[in-house]
Amino acid sequence: DIQMTQSPSSMSASLGDRVTITCQASQDIGNNLIWFQQKPGKSPRRMIYYATNLANGVPSRFSGSRSGSDYSLTIISLESEDMADYHCLQYKQYPHTFGAGTKLELK
Amino acid sequence: QVQLKESGPGLVQPSQTLSLTCTVAGFSLTSYNVHWVRQPPGKGLEWMGVIWNTGGTRYNSALKSRLSISKDTSKSQVFLKMNSLQTEDTATYYCARDLTYWGQGVMVTVSS
Repeated sequence: DIQMTQSPSSMSASLGDRVTITCQASQDIGNNLIWFQQKPGKSPRRMIYYATNLANGVPSRFSGSRSGSDYSLTIISLESEDMADYHCLQYKQYPHTFGAGTKLELK
Repeated sequence: QVQLKESGPGLVQPSQTLSLTCTVAGFSLTSYNVHWVRQPPGKGLEWMGVIWNTGGTRYNSALKSRLSISKDTSKSQVFLKMNSLQTEDTATYYCARDLTYWGQGVMVTVSS
């Protein structure tokens, strides 16, 4: 199975900060990666698909990028509504696998 | 409007079988894949399995010996069955179309 190593597990940041969360794949997954946002008590929301594509309705301050086997979710100019858990998932191969998640909190 | 809704027992006894239903609306199960994902309290997401529009299935390696996903396209329902439940299976269970549209989730507690 493909392992997705996500970091950091948690972080705190201030409003207006630039934030980056990373997932590293243990095997080649191409661009077959999704980033989800999840708020407490809510279902996950797809934010980025195919590593770099913004999902419908997602603010443009979110972006996804890839460098080799490292995939990043970046939020420029953090807003209060962005405080949430973030998860990556590879869908290159079955079984699909999630990263362990990142908890983003307000400093 | 695409909708998915999970239903099932909130409490299951250890060693028993969990049966969940995902009822969908706004699309046909003959055209889209439906995934099951679970989340233990306070923990991350775990992909459990998928049933393809064609009816084929794929499962999480760690769960496949006790997990089964099926569907009834005429009723717009997808079914999850998992046997030999243990306390570690306590989680919120979600169904999701193509991992894009998600149900609200159903909390399942495994306890005697």
